[in-house]
Amino acid sequence: DVVMTQSPLSLPVTLGQPASISCRSSQSLVHSDGNTYLNWFQQRPGQSPRRLTYKVSNRDSGVPDRFSGSGSGTDFTLKISRVEAEDVGVYYCMQGTHWPITFGQGTRLEIK
Amino acid sequence: EVHLVESGGGLVQPGGSLRLSCTASTFTLSDYSMNWVRQAPGKGLEWVSYINTSGRTISYADSVRGRFTISRDNAKNSLYLQMNSLRAEDTAVYYCIQGFYFDYWGQGTLVTVSS
Repeated sequence: DVVMTQSPLSLPVTLGQPASISCRSSQSLVHSDGNTYLNWFQQRPGQSPRRLTYKVSNRDSGVPDRFSGSGSGTDFTLKISRVEAEDVGVYYCMQGTHWPITFGQGTRLEIK
Repeated sequence: EVHLVESGGGLVQPGGSLRLSCTASTFTLSDYSMNWVRQAPGKGLEWVSYINTSGRTISYADSVRGRFTISRDNAKNSLYLQMNSLRAEDTAVYYCIQGFYFDYWGQGTLVTVSS
């Protein structure tokens, strides 16, 4: 199985400051069709997860443009340009290139 | 707005069975592949099962293969997860998700396996 390793696991951030979460996969996520199936999800306290980005860098409708996804191969990053209070929660990366689908352990973002 | 509603969760004894349902009210479920993902209390996300639009392509996590069965009834706009031989480690909130790319998630239904 592809192991997805996120870092850090805990991320205290001052309001208005940037934040960055790393996600590394144990093997390349480039599919034979040429796509890279790497998604990022946000789970706010008490809520279901919601998708932020898909295929590495495509931001979902309604997701603020302060969120951006990047990366390739085995190294991926979710960046928040200026953290707001509503960004508190747990962030997960997920790969859909190889079966079984696997998630990272999650990164808990909190406000300092 | 996409609306998915899971139901069928509850308390069951080890070795017992439950059938989860997921109903779509704002879109045609038959147009989409679907997934189930679970989250144990205080833990991360674990993918459980996938089914394509026709129901002919199905995949399971090793942890549930042989015990869980995913199915869909496109006429009823519904997705199901039949869970047999339940274990304590199956205790989790189960989410149904629209799309191969995990587009939209339901609110989840809690399954508790305990004697």
